[in-house]
Amino acid sequence: QKEVEQDPGPLSVPEGAIVSLNCTYSNSAFQYFMWYRQYSRKGPELLMYTYSSGNKEDGRFTAQVDKSSKYISLFIRDSQPSDSATYLCAMSGPRSGGSYIPTFGRGTSLIVHP
Amino acid sequence: NAGVTQTPKFQVLKTGQSMTLQCAQDMNHEYMSWYRQDPGMGLRLIHYSVGAGITDQGEVPNGYNVSRSTTEDFPLRLLSAAPSQTSVYFCASRITGTGNTEAFFGQGTRLTVV
Repeated sequence: QKEVEQDPGPLSVPEGAIVSLNCTYSNSAFQYFMWYRQYSRKGPELLMYTYSSGNKEDGRFTAQVDKSSKYISLFIRDSQPSDSATYLCAMSGPRSGGSYIPTFGRGTSLIVHP
Repeated sequence: NAGVTQTPKFQVLKTGQSMTLQCAQDMNHEYMSWYRQDPGMGLRLIHYSVGAGITDQGEVPNGYNVSRSTTEDFPLRLLSAAPSQTSVYFCASRITGTGNTEAFFGQGTRLTVV
């Protein structure tokens, strides 16, 4: 079992829809939970990160972490065609030596059609 | 402020050739890292550095060397290119402790080994 599981999609939604993107994980030592957006042929862009459990909101984006279920989500409200991209989840926790090295999911391809 | 700059953007190598992928950042970040991204595999860490003169191996270090003589630069060397090293390579940087996650990525180097 991979440490981080993410459905690659594609997920296709109409403009204005609420989008839910999810990841599950197996390593209970993960403390930081991140979401990145990656446009085609570009580098990933950090959208949000949260520490431990709970919600975090930034504009149209909300990140949720449920450590008891080992499940994280990213919600996008009022989705726009410009949100069409691949969304990567990532997680990190302390490893030997104290370093925090993120583990990435495979990414979910999102298509928002007008 | 250019962020993280990678050169070249594209490269074709013959099996057995060596080359250096360049990465530079102008944000005075202590932490820098190299990832490769392959279809269906997500981002995998090759090497990372927590400061000038300090480097360590990531998940897939074989066939790659790094050094960190300055804060700004973190080159990745392919010693003897193999077709399995065909991939997109990303350099990233962050301030140590900032969410313990990669905050800035370069635009990537697309490498093909024939």
